[in-house]
Amino acid sequence: QITLKESGPTVVKPTQTLTLTCSFSGFSLSTTRVGVGWIRQPPGKALEWLALIYWDDDYRYSPSLKSRLTITKDLSKNQVVLTMTNMDPVDTATYYCARRLSNPSFPFDYWGQGTLVTVSS
Amino acid sequence: DIQMTQFPSSLSASVGDRVTITCRASQGISNYLAWYQQIPGKVPKLLIYAASTLQSGVPSRFSGSGSGTDFTLTISSLQPEDVATYYCQKYDRAPHTFGPGTKVGIK
Repeated sequence: QITLKESGPTVVKPTQTLTLTCSFSGFSLSTTRVGVGWIRQPPGKALEWLALIYWDDDYRYSPSLKSRLTITKDLSKNQVVLTMTNMDPVDTATYYCARRLSNPSFPFDYWGQGTLVTVSS
Repeated sequence: DIQMTQFPSSLSASVGDRVTITCRASQGISNYLAWYQQIPGKVPKLLIYAASTLQSGVPSRFSGSGSGTDFTLTISSLQPEDVATYYCQKYDRAPHTFGPGTKVGIK
């Protein structure tokens, strides 16, 4: 059974750095083709793709947020960590992590429940 | 970067109606197009991948078509449990952009 779960602070202050952890089970990020990504959704708004990391350490970022994002993986803990610097109230959103496969390419098939992050002083 | 658009942005239809949602990519993406359903308050759920392949467990009233830049999601007979926002997403190469969503309601 594949599961993913996001964890991190529920409130951060403007200009602070957000660190979110995706803990997963039922698959391994050392397995060929596997990737874990982050997607966010501001309240009442659309989904926005943020970042992805793959089994081979390849990674990709949203061009509009690239300068603020870092994605890493910890194989021993089955975790993927996303950091986002210089948080602003417009970054208030539910942040999801999700799994995808590549080669051949496949979309996000398993999602975490999401974690709401509010940016407020 | 390739932009994704959807239309309409919202629609209301009667139970049993046929509903069609359109997604357009600003450049060709072959068939690397997925559709997700997000019921209010819930996590997005993968419905269709490769433009027309139903994910396991998805009711057969859902179907997808298209290739290149123009894609459609069709619900052949709208059910009350289909009330949701539907998103398309390109997944050929990063960035894996989502469309703005189409909100589907019942009249």
